[in-house]
Amino acid sequence: KAGVTQTPRYLIKTRGQQVTLSCSPISGHRSVSWYQQTPGQGLQFLFEYFSETQRNKGNFPGRFSGRQFSNSRSEMNVSTLELGDSALYLCASSLRSGGSEQFFGPGTRLTVL
Amino acid sequence: QQQVKQSPQSLIVQKGGISIINCAYENTAFDYFPWYQQFPGKGPALLIAIRPDVSEKKEGRFTISFNKSAKQFSLHIMDSQPGDSATYFCAASMTETSGSRLTFGEGTQLTVNP
Repeated sequence: KAGVTQTPRYLIKTRGQQVTLSCSPISGHRSVSWYQQTPGQGLQFLFEYFSETQRNKGNFPGRFSGRQFSNSRSEMNVSTLELGDSALYLCASSLRSGGSEQFFGPGTRLTVL
Repeated sequence: QQQVKQSPQSLIVQKGGISIINCAYENTAFDYFPWYQQFPGKGPALLIAIRPDVSEKKEGRFTISFNKSAKQFSLHIMDSQPGDSATYFCAASMTETSGSRLTFGEGTQLTVNP
């Protein structure tokens, strides 16, 4: 079974731009969660989507948004990029929302200049 | 209340030794506790997980010990190998109310010397 895939793997943007990251979960998994990883703040939960609905949201500003499609693929969008948004963005998939193992993708490394 | 505290921040162990990483939590509503291993340039990989109804779970060289009354859990890596050198994260979630949301510890950078 293929693992979680994320595209692109690397991105360089400038302040003020917006960016869209994509995540394809493991086949059959219906829950997709997004995390931000930085050296200073560690791994922080952004949001979870399950059956195309946002199930949970972390403590991030409204510039961070996401969506999930009927095939469970998910995208996250960051608008009006700030230098502090530079991070590794990780996507994790699981069979269902809560109570099942989560598997992470390799991440998208976003650099904001 | 939502935090998970992890220690030590870094750990150096000789090959064949036992690596022990500890985590503590405050929120008793947490009911699922996984450990992840992350190599540079990779996403975290699930190692082993435990629920509060058991005090210990073992998978190969990896063991989780869980102390519900102390609100602590730990990862033991037996016969540590240089290939185990990575960053380890503990995490916790409240599966009923927070879905798949994981709260992570700060991470422990493990170095196993040959």
